[in-house]
Amino acid sequence: QKEVEQDPGPLSVPEGAIVSLNCTYSNSAFQYFMWYRQYSRKGPELLMYTYSSGNKEDGRFTAQVDKSSKYISLFIRDSQPSDSATYLCAMSASFQGAQKLVFGQGTRLTINP
Amino acid sequence: DSGVTQTPKHLITATGQRVTLRCSPRSGDLSVYWYQQSLDQGLQFLIQYYNGEERAKGNILERFSAQQFPDLHSELNLSSLELGDSALYFCASSVGHGLAGGETQYFGPGTRLLVL
Repeated sequence: QKEVEQDPGPLSVPEGAIVSLNCTYSNSAFQYFMWYRQYSRKGPELLMYTYSSGNKEDGRFTAQVDKSSKYISLFIRDSQPSDSATYLCAMSASFQGAQKLVFGQGTRLTINP
Repeated sequence: DSGVTQTPKHLITATGQRVTLRCSPRSGDLSVYWYQQSLDQGLQFLIQYYNGEERAKGNILERFSAQQFPDLHSELNLSSLELGDSALYFCASSVGHGLAGGETQYFGPGTRLLVL
């Protein structure tokens, strides 16, 4: 079983829809939770970053972390064609004196005009 | 633009060969991380260097090695290449050594390696 599970999709929704992306994890040591966006043929870029449980909002994006359920989500409101990309969840913890960062498989998202 | 540069952008080579990938971190960042991204395995952490010293090791094969130089640029050496080594190789950098956990990593554009 992978430490971080993410539905690879693909996910296709119409422009303006609310998108929900999710990841589950098994390692309770994870404390930091991130969402990266990766456009085709580009490197991942940090989109959202949260520490421990709770919500964080940034414009049209909201990240939620539920540590009790080991479940994180990213919501995209009023989705735009420019949001079409692969979204990777990632989580980290200090491990043997260094940062251990584990990524989900990534969900490929397409927003149709 | 993340500020992390990687060369070359593309690399085509044959099985059994050796290649070197190069990464320059963002100005001021002391940590460099290497990742491999393939279709079936996703993004896999390989190794981290902090200020010239190896800091953490992930799923890095013995055929692979890396180093970070005094000017903080890093090189990833891949030897005895196999077809399965074909992938995107990303370098990322961060300010510190990640002991606090959750340190933001900034990714370069990647090197696409094709082994024929």
